Amino acid sequence: GENVEQHPSTLSVQEGDSAVIKCTYSDSASNYFPWYKQELGKRPQLIIDIRSNVGEKKDQRIAVTLNKTAKHFSLHITETQPEDSAVYFCAASGGYSTLTFGKGTMLLVSP
Amino acid sequence: EAGVAQSPRYKIIEKRQSVAFWCNPISGHATLYWYQQILGQGPKLLIQFQNNGVVDDSQLPKDRFSAERLKGVDSTLKIQPAKLEDSAVYLCASSLTGNAEAFFGQGTRLTVV
Repeated sequence: GENVEQHPSTLSVQEGDSAVIKCTYSDSASNYFPWYKQELGKRPQLIIDIRSNVGEKKDQRIAVTLNKTAKHFSLHITETQPEDSAVYFCAASGGYSTLTFGKGTMLLVSP
Repeated sequence: EAGVAQSPRYKIIEKRQSVAFWCNPISGHATLYWYQQILGQGPKLLIQFQNNGVVDDSQLPKDRFSAERLKGVDSTLKIQPAKLEDSAVYLCASSLTGNAEAFFGQGTRLTVV
């Protein structure tokens, strides 16, 4: 089955800095890569996603890049704000459409 | 539109007891997922349904866990008998199809004592 590795497990930045979270996947048939944000005690919520026919996608301060050859994808958050502090999960959905998550990155943005 | 509904929100049981969780997905969503999220970890897929058929249950501990999605709508997840290591949040999610945005319910926090 699919295996998703996520790094780093924790990331501390100053407000206004950029943050980058990286994920790798194992199943070359995977074609859908969402990113979820989970605040403490709440449900995961989708913040951005990308499909395998696209190399990059942006939504305001958030961008995701995908390298199919290397089987890795990354989340980029620019101009970080304290409200960006949360746990971020990458996921990959493969040929059988099962959605597999990484272990998560705790992002801490200090004012 | 209404979101994914789960109940109960919290449950405390003793080890070796049984427990059941219920999930009502977003109307029209064919794909339903059950995830187990242990504190500090990512969601682990237990079972995925497409309508009322099972797509993947490879990580479901079938000696104690069971799930069904009768009529391809609501779903129940059961644990019998529970172990201490089953303490976790059980998240239900649904999507229109596979490879599409999954919407999560609030989850059920299970504590096994």
